[in-house]
Amino acid sequence: AQSVSQHNHHVILSEAASLELGCNYSYGGTVNLFWYVQYPGQHLQLLLKYFSGDPLVKGIKGFEAEFIKSKFSFNLRKPSVQWSDTAEYFCAVGQGASNTGKLIFGQGTTLQVKP
Amino acid sequence: DTEVTQTPKHLVMGMTNKKSLKCEQHMGHRAMYWYKQKAKKPPELMFVYSYEKLSINESVPSRFSPECPNSSLLNLHLHALQPEDSALYLCASSGDIGISYEQYFGPGTRLTVT
Repeated sequence: AQSVSQHNHHVILSEAASLELGCNYSYGGTVNLFWYVQYPGQHLQLLLKYFSGDPLVKGIKGFEAEFIKSKFSFNLRKPSVQWSDTAEYFCAVGQGASNTGKLIFGQGTTLQVKP
Repeated sequence: DTEVTQTPKHLVMGMTNKKSLKCEQHMGHRAMYWYKQKAKKPPELMFVYSYEKLSINESVPSRFSPECPNSSLLNLHLHALQPEDSALYLCASSGDIGISYEQYFGPGTRLTVT
């Protein structure tokens, strides 16, 4: 069965530190890849997405992610975090070529940024 | 306007009650979804509607009954729920399901079953 693994469950950083959150998936076919963010008390928002093309994708708020097909990974990065980045981050994978609409989410990473 | 709206925001219901959750989008999307999210957990897919027809039911108990009256509306009818059904219920929509589309999520309905 398809699965998504986020290795970091709880990350604590100081402002201006660099961020990298890991995401690996198990599906061997064409995939659509997403990072969603859930700020405290707010709804899930799309940070960035990968469908095809350049494996380095840029999203909102200075986030970027790199798709490495050989490693089945889609890690999220930000060079310098801010206190306002404190949130829950979810990696999600959908099947690409035969997309049923079903998204598989990772368990999430809680990011706490200290001012 | 990338907005999915959900009503009510909060709902408290007894185990013998019947209630409904509503979801609406005006983005012209043809696919709509219901998810269940427990605290500090990822969303879990419940149902997928494509062109107003149910395309995925993730083995959800029959006490949850989805309905898609038209392409903009999605309802979730609730009956005889259990306390463990207390959760945040999220609605989402996307342009379609057959090709690469991202899902846009609503703010959710916080359901408490007493």
